Amino acid sequence: GAGVSQSPRYKVAKRGQDVALRCDPISGHVSLFWYQQALGQGPEFLTYFQNEAQLDKSGLPSDRFFAERPEGSVSTLKIQRTQQEDSAVYLCASSLRNYNQPQHFGDGTRLSIL
Amino acid sequence: QQQVKQSPQSLIVQKGGISIINCAYENTAFDYFPWYQQFPGKGPALLIAIRPDVSEKKEGRFTISFNKSAKQFSLHIMDSQPGDSATYFCAAAQISGSARQLTFGSGTQLTVLP
Repeated sequence: GAGVSQSPRYKVAKRGQDVALRCDPISGHVSLFWYQQALGQGPEFLTYFQNEAQLDKSGLPSDRFFAERPEGSVSTLKIQRTQQEDSAVYLCASSLRNYNQPQHFGDGTRLSIL
Repeated sequence: QQQVKQSPQSLIVQKGGISIINCAYENTAFDYFPWYQQFPGKGPALLIAIRPDVSEKKEGRFTISFNKSAKQFSLHIMDSQPGDSATYFCAAAQISGSARQLTFGSGTQLTVLP
């Protein structure tokens, strides 16, 4: 498909487990963003990549959150030692050029921590 | 810190009516203002966006009105249809500055009655 693809769509984990969420951006898109969307709220910024460089990680809530994009395309968001407050939808967005707009979103991964 | 305030939280409109959603921002460095539409289980999809050098932009039934001095912008949906029932988010970003991520409002759940 031509859109942003995220996997898995749903993830259930027990508190304390590590999880990894994958994002396949639109082919050729330079910029990649991760957002966290709590139930009934707007998405909140987590981190931003331009190609393989992580230029901004100011939104990551703790050092348990880690993101990478080693080859400048696919990105992985990893959460270590998950906690209940990590339950949310994690959205990935990509954009074509350095201006970073418009951003095209995937359908997200819904993470539930038991 | 809520940099983009959105109202109302929910809105019910009759088919054929006009839906109006309002947003206010604080950061005068913002120079890109998009509106996103989100259906349940889906990622946000860009509807329309405006830069601060114009006061109004229209695309089909959707119009953004922008008031730079008041730091406010609004979305008008003309001839609202039941298929428009969704959650709408305003957002803001800096095209040329360092804060290239989108800052979202808290969302408006729109219901269009048949």
